[in-house]
Amino acid sequence: GAGVSQTPSNKVTEKGKYVELRCDPISGHTALYWYRQSLGQGPEFLIYFQGTGAADDSGLPNDRFFAVRPEGSVSTLKIQRTERGDSAVYLCASSLSSGSTEQFFGPGTRLTVL
Amino acid sequence: AQSVAQPEDQVNVAEGNPLTVKCTYSVSGNPYLFWYVQYPNRGLQFLLKYITGDNLVKGSYGFEAEFNKSQTSFHLKKPSALVSDSALYFCAVRDESSYKLIFGSGTRLLVRP
Repeated sequence: GAGVSQTPSNKVTEKGKYVELRCDPISGHTALYWYRQSLGQGPEFLIYFQGTGAADDSGLPNDRFFAVRPEGSVSTLKIQRTERGDSAVYLCASSLSSGSTEQFFGPGTRLTVL
Repeated sequence: AQSVAQPEDQVNVAEGNPLTVKCTYSVSGNPYLFWYVQYPNRGLQFLLKYITGDNLVKGSYGFEAEFNKSQTSFHLKKPSALVSDSALYFCAVRDESSYKLIFGSGTRLLVRP
């Protein structure tokens, strides 16, 4: 079956612009996670959805970052007033449920802020 | 606070030799431990996990890992390395009350022919 997909694969934007990154989880997976991976680092947790609601957004770095999952499937990560420090690979993962131990990752979106 | 340490930035091994990639962790409760592999321009691929039970866990592509509670370690091993095993390896942990994974900084494995 299809895995987690993320679009776009690459996004280049200018400082101060607004961007949206999309994640399509594996069909039937109710739990969805966003992580951010900076160059040379491991992924860092941003936010976790169970269904439509954000169950844990403790990893969002500031109020410029926001994520939604209105129908409990596709999720969009939104970044306002982008800064050069936001440049990273943004990874999405899904799992069958919140109790499932294994998270399946998408290929990521590489965001570059000029 | 939860944390993961991968003390080696890079591990070099000759093809056919055994390999070990080290990982130590810190959690407040019972640990759930994972290894993921990342190939260039691709997402993280799950290799194996330890939740409970036998301390030796077997996973994909011939990899295995040993959970050692007293040393708080979860080292990744393979008896005979392949050139195609060359990639970036991440250890991750969560405790049983949390859903977010805490990752180490990664170890690059280079297997030379």
